[in-house]
Formats: sequence, C-alpha cells, structure tokens
Amino acid sequence: DAGVIQSPRHEVTEMGQEVTLRCKPISGHNSLFWYRQTMMRGLELLIYFNNNVPIDDSGMPEDRFSAKMPNASFSTLKIQPSEPRDSAVYFCASNSYPDTQYFGPGTRLTVL
Amino acid sequence: AQSVTQLGSHVSVSEGALVLLRCNYSSSVPPYLFWYVQYPNQGLQLLLKYTTGATLVKGINGFEAEFKKSETSFHLTKPSAHMSDAAEYFCAVSVVPGGTSYGKLTFGQGTILTVHP
Repeated sequence: DAGVIQSPRHEVTEMGQEVTLRCKPISGHNSLFWYRQTMMRGLELLIYFNNNVPIDDSGMPEDRFSAKMPNASFSTLKIQPSEPRDSAVYFCASNSYPDTQYFGPGTRLTVL
Repeated sequence: AQSVTQLGSHVSVSEGALVLLRCNYSSSVPPYLFWYVQYPNQGLQLLLKYTTGATLVKGINGFEAEFKKSETSFHLTKPSAHMSDAAEYFCAVSVVPGGTSYGKLTFGQGTILTVHP
C-alpha cells in the first residue's frame, strides 16, 4: 500500500487567501485524523472522522478552519481566510480502528 | 481525560551508549500506549505499542519499552545508540476500544534525541 498520501507537501500563501489541504487515507481504514504541529504547541489533534462522519472537532482552532470527508478515500482541511499564525505542519493519519494510526508525510504551510 | 508527560525535551547520548526516554501517563481507564519516531521533515512512524499482555514490548530498530502500571510509566530504551537514532520521539496514549474514541491519541510534547560520535 502507498500509505497515507497528503498534498501538497509544501504550500506558501499570503494572508487572507484560502488554503486547502488534501489527504487520502490507507485503503480500508475507517478513521481519519487531522493534526497540526508547531514548535510552540507541539502536536495537536484538530478533528477526526469515523466512517466519514466527524466525531470530534473540538480541536479546530476557530471557524476559519473546516474539514470534510466526502468519501472513504478523501478528506480536506480548509483554512479561509488564512493567517500567519496558521503556519505549521499539518498531518493526516488513518487507522482501521482499533489498530495503529499511520501518518502521512505532512503538509508544511507557510502563510506570509 | 488522558495526558502524557515526557521528561526531558532534549536528550543527548554518545554513540553506543544506553538510550532512555521517559514517559509517564495519566488515564482513568486502562490505556493503550505508543511510541512514535519522527525524522526531520517526515511524518510520525510507529516504533512500538502496548495494548494487552506482556508488559515488555519490543519494537523496530532495537527499541523496547516496559509498561509499569504501578508507576504509570512507559519508558523507551535501547541498549546501544546509533547515529541513525537521532530524531524526535513521541509517547502517546489512547483508551482501550469502546465508546467514540476510535483510536484517538493524546501525545506528549516530544523528546529530541541527539547522538554524538
């Protein structure tokens, strides 16, 4: 299997622009997790889905952030409008509950 | 609620020396425990995990960890460090299956391991 796939790997944008991060989980996995990693705050869970349904979005920092999972093989994390403090590495992970979570390579977002 | 504390944000060892990375957890229910490793500019990779059964678990690259319930600890060790072990290591906890956690992980703040020649 190709593992968890994330795109783009790097994104540089200007403040105020919309940013969309994409994730393809491992085939057959039924749970998907979005994380954000920064030096200051470490690794934070933003939201997770089970069978395409959002279970807990309490980690989403504010209304500018939204996530969707329209089908079992695709999820997006959108930031609109983006701000410099959103600069971070965003990871997607998936698992076949209750098995181990497998992480993607991450998207490094820079908001100027 | 669960929490994880990793003692020491940076650990430095010489090549060939013992590696010991400390992790303590707090959980109101029996936990599942994990160690992940993150190499520069990469995602997190599972090193090892404890779910049930034997409390000493062995992982990849010669690492092992022991679950000690009485001490609420899950320290990571390796007898002899290698230069390639230099990375950031994360301890994580989840609850046993049930409810709506779906394998949700709570991570520690990470420990950066430096290995000197």
